[in-house]
Amino acid sequence: KAGVTQTPRYLIKTRGQQVTLSCSPISGHRSVSWYQQTPGQGLQFLFEYFSETQRNKGNFPGRFSGRQFSNSRSEMNVSTLELGDSALYLCASSTHPGSPYEQYFGPGTRLTVT
Amino acid sequence: GENVEQHPSTLSVQEGDSAVIKCTYSDSASNYFPWYKQELGKRPQLIIDIRSNVGEKKDQRIAVTLNKTAKHFSLHITETQPEDSAVYFCAASEKVGGSEKLVFGKGTKLTVNP
Repeated sequence: KAGVTQTPRYLIKTRGQQVTLSCSPISGHRSVSWYQQTPGQGLQFLFEYFSETQRNKGNFPGRFSGRQFSNSRSEMNVSTLELGDSALYLCASSTHPGSPYEQYFGPGTRLTVT
Repeated sequence: GENVEQHPSTLSVQEGDSAVIKCTYSDSASNYFPWYKQELGKRPQLIIDIRSNVGEKKDQRIAVTLNKTAKHFSLHITETQPEDSAVYFCAASEKVGGSEKLVFGKGTKLTVNP
């Protein structure tokens, strides 16, 4: 089975812009979670989607949003980018909706905000 | 909310030695504890996990132990090899509403010296 894929792998944006990141889960996995990874804060949970519905949300401002499509692919959007949004954004897929069991990560999108 | 502390932050061992990484958690309702390995520039990989109804789990050179009373769990790697060098993250589940999410420790950078 192909693993979790994310596009793009690298992105450079300017403060104030918005960005959309994409995640395709492992075939058959319907739950997709998103995480932000930074050297200072480590891995932090953003949100989880299952059946096109947000099931869970972390402590991030409303500028961070996401959605899931009927084929389980997911996108996350960050509006009005700030320098502090520079991070590696990881998505993870699982067959267990609403639970964190056996999550498999994608390679991540490295976002740099200048 | 759940808080996961991970120690040590860096660990250096000689090839063939054992390595132990410890994590403590705060939420007694946590019931799932995975460990991820992240090599430089790569995605986090699930290497082993344990659920709260089990005290120990082994997979070849890797083992995880869980002490629910003391709220701590540990990763044990025996006969370490240079390819074990990576950052290791522990995590604990946290119930939020009707679903669960993962809360991660800050990571341990393990270096295995040949």
